[in-house]
Amino acid sequence: ELKVEQNPLFLSMQEGKNYTIYCNYSTTSDRLYWYRQDPGKSLESLFVLLSNGAVKQEGRLMASLDTKARLSTLHITAAVHDLSATYFCAVGPQETSGSRLTFGEGTQLTVNP
Amino acid sequence: NAGVTQTPKFRVLKTGQSMTLLCAQDMNHEYMYWYRQDPGMGLRLIHYSVGEGTTAKGEVPDGYNVSRLKKQNFLLGLESAAPSQTSVYFCASKDPPYEQYFGPGTRLTVT
Repeated sequence: ELKVEQNPLFLSMQEGKNYTIYCNYSTTSDRLYWYRQDPGKSLESLFVLLSNGAVKQEGRLMASLDTKARLSTLHITAAVHDLSATYFCAVGPQETSGSRLTFGEGTQLTVNP
Repeated sequence: NAGVTQTPKFRVLKTGQSMTLLCAQDMNHEYMYWYRQDPGMGLRLIHYSVGEGTTAKGEVPDGYNVSRLKKQNFLLGLESAAPSQTSVYFCASKDPPYEQYFGPGTRLTVT
């Protein structure tokens, strides 16, 4: 059974600071997704990481994937209030098994002025 | 292009009542999914479909049934609602190998 663990689950940051959210998973997979969810809203896709060593950046967020360590990181640079949200990582097996995703519990990020 | 839509947005049921949640997508995606989201537990997969006329069980299928009679629609049914089914339900669709696109969610309360 695939298990996905995120840490921390709660993160309170000051604006301008840097921090990293970690996503560990238990079985081999080379597909990892990061989503953002604002309170009361749906999930918005941030990054799709499909191979070992993949790194993607969008604005102040950068995601990376190490399939050998079964670890993905979401790095936040110089945080701003607008980044306050819950961030989920999700891991999936190969496409032949219906592309099912297993989600982590989510990291609730609060960026304080 | 509306993407993924869900009907209804909110619903309150009494224990034992039944209802159907409708998910529709206009992106011609093959795969569709139903998840539930509970506080502190992330999203858990209920059922999914890899094409018209197909369905399969996910992680938490008990108490739910699904149908995919048309490619663009995926229905989630609760035959006899229980308070444990109080949750927010999300539908998603995708075309492999790309990411899943999520609907706005349905907030269901069972009293």
